Amino acid sequence: SQQGEEDPQALSIQEGENATMNCSYKTSINNLQWYRQNSGRGLVHLILIRSNEREKHSGRLRVTLDTSKKSSSLLITASRAADTASYFCATDARDDKIIFGKGTRLHILP
Amino acid sequence: DAGITQSPRHKVTETGTPVTLRCHQTENHRYMYWYRQDPGHGLRLIHYSYGVKDTDKGEVSDGYSVSRSKTEDFLLTLESATSSQTSVYFCAISVRGDTGELFFGEGSRLTVL
Repeated sequence: SQQGEEDPQALSIQEGENATMNCSYKTSINNLQWYRQNSGRGLVHLILIRSNEREKHSGRLRVTLDTSKKSSSLLITASRAADTASYFCATDARDDKIIFGKGTRLHILP
Repeated sequence: DAGITQSPRHKVTETGTPVTLRCHQTENHRYMYWYRQDPGHGLRLIHYSYGVKDTDKGEVSDGYSVSRSKTEDFLLTLESATSSQTSVYFCAISVRGDTGELFFGEGSRLTVL
């Protein structure tokens, strides 16, 4: 079974609003990553947060990690049309395997 | 930027035929991964490699084999393709020396009739 599970499966918001998506996982991890995928393309790495970190920022992205709850959230502030994509979390469960969740489809409405 | 090339990019084949997908990197990254992506399942790990001749199974390895005889090439083989293996296959390399940030290829779309 997949390690990470994103929530919600799909999200539609107005341009300019903030988008939040969540990821839950099952086992202890070294790090957790978030990726973006535009339709028909390969995944692009967004941000990595290590198990000893609680929050990380990169531009309009903010990621939090709560290892006690085995969960992470990705916040995209001031959303733009170009943010329309699928977003995936991926976990490194200390066994060299990097396991992805099923993703959240984000649609930014004009 | 890491250079990664998948071939072929598109392939249509018939049930029962063997298929090999190739992933080629232009650098010497140690870790390489094969994933498949299907609607409703996200990406699922098939096999991965942590060095030449060092490979291990992922989540959905049944029906697939891999080989890595050179650092730069990671081959995924379907010995006898089935319709359930119709999918988009992605290769990825870990560009931080360990199991960290992955850099993905553009994908190989395989259709098994």
